[in-house]
Amino acid sequence: VMTQSPATLSVSPGERVTLSCRASQSVSGGLAWYQHRPGQPPRLLIYGASTRATGVPARFSGSGSRTEFSLTISGLQSEDSAVYYCQQYNNWPPLTFGGGTKVEI
Amino acid sequence: EVQLVESGGGLVQPGRSLTLSCVASGFTFDDYAMHWVRHSPGKGLEWVSGISSNSAITGYADSVRGRFTISRDNAKNVLYLQINLLKTEDTALYYCAKSLSLTIPAGGSWGHGAVVTVSS
Repeated sequence: VMTQSPATLSVSPGERVTLSCRASQSVSGGLAWYQHRPGQPPRLLIYGASTRATGVPARFSGSGSRTEFSLTISGLQSEDSAVYYCQQYNNWPPLTFGGGTKVEI
Repeated sequence: EVQLVESGGGLVQPGRSLTLSCVASGFTFDDYAMHWVRHSPGKGLEWVSGISSNSAITGYADSVRGRFTISRDNAKNVLYLQINLLKTEDTALYYCAKSLSLTIPAGGSWGHGAVVTVSS
């Protein structure tokens, strides 16, 4: 089970936020983060807990291992308004999503 | 450029069946695991099912195991999801996703989804 917190964040442009994701058991480094904007498919941001996917701005960074992970977004921009999901993929199947954190700017 | 195009969605009565398709292009289809992920109204993303590149490994979410069947045709570059005994809670936008790499099953590329509405 993947648990994300908080459920919602309201922030101002330019701020920095940290989203948390906790696994009920170790997933080693098999953790991905996605951004999901309304009307668009999900976008992979981070894989391997801390590696940015191709084309992802450097203001997105991931960290953590085993059961505790975080996604930090620095210098928030209006287009960062979205729901962010973590997903474990260690020893799939299954792949398990967290419940998501909605970031409102 | 990777392209994933889902089809087969629609309005279906509870208890009926439906098969979703995802046509893939722009990459070597039989090199990658593929997945179905759904987004129900007002809910979060839910991984539904996945299949390895050679179909040797398949997996399902507990919520759909026994009713959903994933398959692929590597000769035609098509991923399928057969859904039986549809329930109202299966109403969702169903995305097809390509694994990022041979060793990382996370969804690196996504289609725009097919809408399934289950209602009498």
